Amino acid sequence: NAGVMQNPRHLVRRRGQEARLRCSPMKGHSHVYWYRQLPEEGLKFMVYLQKENIIDESGMPKERFSAEFPKEGPSILRIQQVVRGDSAAYFCASSPKEGYQETQYFGPGTRLLVL
Amino acid sequence: KQEVTQIPAALSVPEGENLVLNCSFTDSAIYNLQWFRQDPGKGLTSLLLIQSSQREQTSGRLNASLDKSSGRSTLYIAASQPGDSATYLCAAPSGGYQKVTFGTGTKLQVIP
Repeated sequence: NAGVMQNPRHLVRRRGQEARLRCSPMKGHSHVYWYRQLPEEGLKFMVYLQKENIIDESGMPKERFSAEFPKEGPSILRIQQVVRGDSAAYFCASSPKEGYQETQYFGPGTRLLVL
Repeated sequence: KQEVTQIPAALSVPEGENLVLNCSFTDSAIYNLQWFRQDPGKGLTSLLLIQSSQREQTSGRLNASLDKSSGRSTLYIAASQPGDSATYLCAAPSGGYQKVTFGTGTKLQVIP
């Protein structure tokens, strides 16, 4: 059973461009979480999605950021008009179901660098 | 709002030493607490998940304890090895199962 997959692993964008980060959860997992790790800071929750639904996006910036988890295909975190402050590692995690007994399994992350 | 603090921020020990990493959290109404390991440039590896009804969990040389009343958890690593060098993160739920708050981590270096 392959783990959580994220691609690309590294992404370089110039200011004003769009960044698309993809996350394929583990097989059988229908819950996806996105976290951001800014340089020298801890991981911060961004958004929690189930298939075709955004459950909690309280940690996501109101502008330029959006996330989706379609019925088919990976979850996508989209950052429009990137700025230097968006440079960070973005981690995706998945779990089979919601619940306090469920651990979140993390992917290797996408490291975004905005020039 | 959940806040998670880890002490120390960095730790360097000689190989073979036993060590304890500390984690404290402000909201004790948690369902579980989790310890992760992060290697440089890599993702997170789940080490131990402690349910609120448990006081400790063990996996190999690792033992994690949870004291909800005092808002503390510890990760004990026995007979440390150079391969244990990594950043260790403590994570506690915040406002629901899905929103996990991470500490800033303890960077461990085990010297051969």
